[in-house]
Amino acid sequence: QKEVEQDPGPLSVPEGAIVSLNCTYSNSAFQYFMWYRQYSRKGPELLMYTYSSGNKEDGRFTAQVDKSSKYISLFIRDSQPSDSATYLCAMSASGGTSYGKLTFGQGTILTVHP
Amino acid sequence: GAVVSQHPSWVICKSGTSVKIECRSLDFQATTMFWYRQFPKQSLMLMATSNEGSKATYEQGVEKDKFLINHASLTLSTLTVTSAHPEDSSFYICSAREPRTGAASSYEQYFGPGTRLTVT
Repeated sequence: QKEVEQDPGPLSVPEGAIVSLNCTYSNSAFQYFMWYRQYSRKGPELLMYTYSSGNKEDGRFTAQVDKSSKYISLFIRDSQPSDSATYLCAMSASGGTSYGKLTFGQGTILTVHP
Repeated sequence: GAVVSQHPSWVICKSGTSVKIECRSLDFQATTMFWYRQFPKQSLMLMATSNEGSKATYEQGVEKDKFLINHASLTLSTLTVTSAHPEDSSFYICSAREPRTGAASSYEQYFGPGTRLTVT
């Protein structure tokens, strides 16, 4: 079993739709949760960063973390064609030998069509 | 802020030769940099953690003698793929972390644009 599971999609939605992206994880040591967006042949770009459980909102993006269920989500409201990319969840434990190391999900390919 | 660059962006080399990839933090000092590889339609796999002034820490299964990492300054880390083989063809991405003592945001990593290596 992988430490982080993410549905690879692909996910195709019409412009303006609400998009929900999810990851589950098995390592209870994960405390820091991130979402990255990666365009084709580019490096990942940090979108959202969350510590422990709770919600965080930034513009059209909302990140949710439910540590009791080991489940995180990213919601994109009013999706735009420019949101078409691969979305990667990533997680990090709090210390020790895992300090600063990120474990990534497989990435979900999202296409928003006009 | 928090810009990371990589050079070259793409490189083609012949089997058996070595190739060096540079990773630079442009507007901050990075005591720690990470090297990842990514195969098509797959996620990023951490290869090694590079700390300025000390030896790199390699992940299990990564050959340290094949993937040489040097982190000689607070803004530069290099990855050298030695005796490259076609199976080393991949997308190599580095990331850098700003040292912020005691701050939760110190776990944020900023990624370079990646280097596509093709070994013929």
